[in-house]
Amino acid sequence: QLQLQESGPGLVRPSETLSLTCSVSGGSISSSAYYWDWIRQPPGKGLEWIGNIHHSGDTYYSASLKSRVTMSVDTSKNQFSLMLTSVTVADTAVYYCARHPRASNWFDPWGQGTLVTVSS
Amino acid sequence: DIQMTQSPSSLSASVGDRITITCRTSQSISRSLNWYQLNPGKAPLLLIYATSSLQSGVPSRFSGSGSGTDFTLSISSLQPEDFATYYCQQSYETPFTFGQGTKLEIK
Repeated sequence: QLQLQESGPGLVRPSETLSLTCSVSGGSISSSAYYWDWIRQPPGKGLEWIGNIHHSGDTYYSASLKSRVTMSVDTSKNQFSLMLTSVTVADTAVYYCARHPRASNWFDPWGQGTLVTVSS
Repeated sequence: DIQMTQSPSSLSASVGDRITITCRTSQSISRSLNWYQLNPGKAPLLLIYATSSLQSGVPSRFSGSGSGTDFTLSISSLQPEDFATYYCQQSYETPFTFGQGTKLEIK
């Protein structure tokens, strides 16, 4: 059974860079059939899609975050990562990683999520 | 971007009740609509994909319908574990967007 687990610092200072990793177990991140996504949820708000990456390195980012987002994949570790630069308090959120089939754009499964707080 | 309007934002119901949640999109998305259940501290769960297909392992009391711009999620007989927050998501085009959520609470 495929499982995803987010990891990274729970506190980031304003203007610094948020870095998270998603570890995939029970399956290979190198499958051509899937993209690997990041989604976030600010406290008390709805879900926001950030973007995704394919094991080939192809990426698709939300236009609203594109200038600050970089995603990468490490197939040797079966992990993919998110970097978000120049963070502000508005980037405080639970960050989720998820898998989505190339031919279909739903998300399954998801990780449990990790809360990242931006604060000085 | 495709805007998603989900209603109601909250709903009180009892075990055994049937409930329906509605999701409306700002443009036609054919049947590219999915539903998720979120519980605090747990991984979000895909319930329904492509409007009406039940994800493997999801109880049959969950069902979805609709097309174009209007969609619904129904739960036929609420169980205690169903009290959670539900979100719709359009998979028609990027950026993929979500509804604002419906919090289902025990009456």
